[in-house]
Amino acid sequence: GAGVSQSPSNKVTEKGKDVELRCDPISGHTALYWYRQSLGQGLEFLIYFQGNSAPDKSGLPSDRFSAERTGGSVSTLTIQRTQQEDSAVYLCASSPSRDRGNEQFFGPGTRLTVL
Amino acid sequence: DAKTTQPPSMDCAEGRAANLPCNHSTISGNEYVYWYRQIHSQGPQYIIHGLKNNETNEMASLIITEDRKSSTLILPHATLRDTAVYYCIVIQQYGNKLVFGAGTILRVKS
Repeated sequence: GAGVSQSPSNKVTEKGKDVELRCDPISGHTALYWYRQSLGQGLEFLIYFQGNSAPDKSGLPSDRFSAERTGGSVSTLTIQRTQQEDSAVYLCASSPSRDRGNEQFFGPGTRLTVL
Repeated sequence: DAKTTQPPSMDCAEGRAANLPCNHSTISGNEYVYWYRQIHSQGPQYIIHGLKNNETNEMASLIITEDRKSSTLILPHATLRDTAVYYCIVIQQYGNKLVFGAGTILRVKS
C-alpha cells in the first residue's frame, strides 16, 4: 500500500521567507510525527500528533515553527521567517495506533535549503 | 530514556550474518529496545523491537541479554542493500518521541 508521502521533495527559499511542508500519513494511522535531520546530525524530534489530543510541541526549536494536522490526516509544518540554520531534511512519520507508537513509518523527507 | 552505545561502523561480507551490538546498561524495566535503519537519502525504517525475549521477523533477529544491558541485531544473510546506518533506541512503550543517536554505519561488501 501507499506509504507516507511528503511534498515538496526539495525546497529552496530565501532567508526571511515562510515555507510550508506537507505530509500525507498512511491512511488509518492515528499518530503523526515531524523530525528534522541537519547535515551530519542525528534526527531531532519536532512535534507529535495523536488522534484528537493536543499535540506535543516540545521539540519545536522556536516560535517560528508551527504545525497543524487537519481532519486527523494531512499535516503541514510551517516555518516562518526562515533562517539558514533551518536548512535540513524534514521527515514526517506516522504510526498505526497508540500501542504501536514507536513503530513509525517515515516518509522520504523534504530537503529545505535556506539561502 | 536510557542512553545507548553503538560502534561507529562495521563491515560485513555479502551473504554473511551481520551482528550489530548495542549497549544500554541503564535501561529500566519498562523500556523497550527498538532498531531502525536509514539507507542513504531515505527516511528511517523500523526493523524490530523487544522487551526481554528474543524476537525474530522477516527482516532480522533481536537478541537481548538476560540482564537486558545489551542487545544484538542480527541480519542473517546480509545483502548490499542492507548497507545503512543502524540505530538502537531504548524507549518506553508510549514514548513516541524517538531519539536517534549516531548509530552504526554498516557496510556490506561483495
